[in-house]
Order: sequence, then C-alpha cells, then structure tokens
Amino acid sequence: DIQMTQSPSSLSASVGDRVTITCRASQSISNYLNWYQQKPGRAPKLLIYAASSLQSGVPSRFGGSGSGTDFTLTISSLQPEDFATYFCQQTYISTYNFGQGTKLESK
Amino acid sequence: EVQLVESGGDLVQPGRSLRLSCAASGFTFDDYAMHWVRQAPGKGLEWVSGINWNSGSTAYADSVKGRFTISRDNAKNSLYLQMNSLRAEDTALYYCAKCSTITCYKQYFDYWGQGTLVTVSS
Repeated sequence: DIQMTQSPSSLSASVGDRVTITCRASQSISNYLNWYQQKPGRAPKLLIYAASSLQSGVPSRFGGSGSGTDFTLTISSLQPEDFATYFCQQTYISTYNFGQGTKLESK
Repeated sequence: EVQLVESGGDLVQPGRSLRLSCAASGFTFDDYAMHWVRQAPGKGLEWVSGINWNSGSTAYADSVKGRFTISRDNAKNSLYLQMNSLRAEDTALYYCAKCSTITCYKQYFDYWGQGTLVTVSS
C-alpha cells in the first residue's frame, strides 16, 4: 500500500498569509494526487485534482503542485473561510488512501 | 444538482451486521464509479471501498476486507455497503462519494454525501 504523509499536522496562520501544506507519497504516484478541504460538521470538498488542476468554483488563491512523491497545496492569501482541515489523497493504487490531514487554525 | 444521501447508520453491538445505503440523484448514476469513505470521531478520512460503474470491479481497504461488501443497483440509483462482523473500530461517519468517471483510477471524488453514523458498542 502507498502511505500518504502530510506535514505539518497543524498550522497556525493569519488572514492574508501565504500557506503551504505538503503531502508525500511512499512511492511515485505520478500526478494522481487530490486535495480536499473539510470544515467541522461538513463533508469534504474537492479543491485540487491531478496535483494542480483547480476544481470548478474553487477560488484561484488555492494552488497545487508536484509530481512523483512530493506535492504541495498553497493558499496564496488566506481568507477567514479557509480555516479548515485539508487532506491529500492518491488515486494511483486502488486503495485510494488519504493523508492524515492538516488542520489550519487562526493565529 | 448532484445529491448523495446516506442512510442505515445505527448503534449496533460488536459482531453484528448493518447495511448502509446511498441514494443518488442529479446525475446518470451508472456512468460513474462510487466509493465509501469513513471518518472516526475526531479523526481523518479513511478510504473503505469502491465499485466501478457496472460492478465489474470492487476494492476494499485491508481493515474491512472479508467483512464488508460493496454493491450497487443502477436501476435504483443506489449504492450499498454490507457490513458484517462489526468491531468497535468500525465506529465512524460513513460517507458515499461519487467519482469523476466510470472508475476512480487516476481520478477524484467530486461529490460527497453528508454521511451516516455507525456506532459499534455493547
């Protein structure tokens, strides 16, 4: 199985900050890496697919990059509604597992 | 509008069985693969199982393999998860998720339901 490891597990930031979250796969997954945002009591929401493609309706301040084993999710200018937990997911091997999550909190 | 509505969650004793359902609407159900993802209280997301568009391919997490069975009824626009030999560690909110194509291989989950809660406890 592929292991997905996110860092950091939690992050404190302020509105307007540039934020970067990292996801590392235990083996190459090409660019088959997705990012989801989850707010408390809500279902996850797709932000980025195929490492860098922005899902329709997602603000352009969200961006993704990477390939192989190392990936990043970047929020260029943090907004109040962005405080949430973020998960990466691989869909290269059929157990489509997720990273453990990164909780983004207000500083 | 795509809607996924899970049902069937309940409080159940260890060793017992439960069947979850996910009713889909707003899209052509048999054009897409479907998956189940769970989230234990206060924890992260755990992929559980998936099925392709025509039930020709299924997959399971090691943690549920041999105990859970995924199925779908395209005529009823419904996805199911039969859960047997339930354990305390199966306690979670169970989400159904729609894939972006007939298979989720190299794809993504573009819509999620709101989840149904399964609690396994004596």
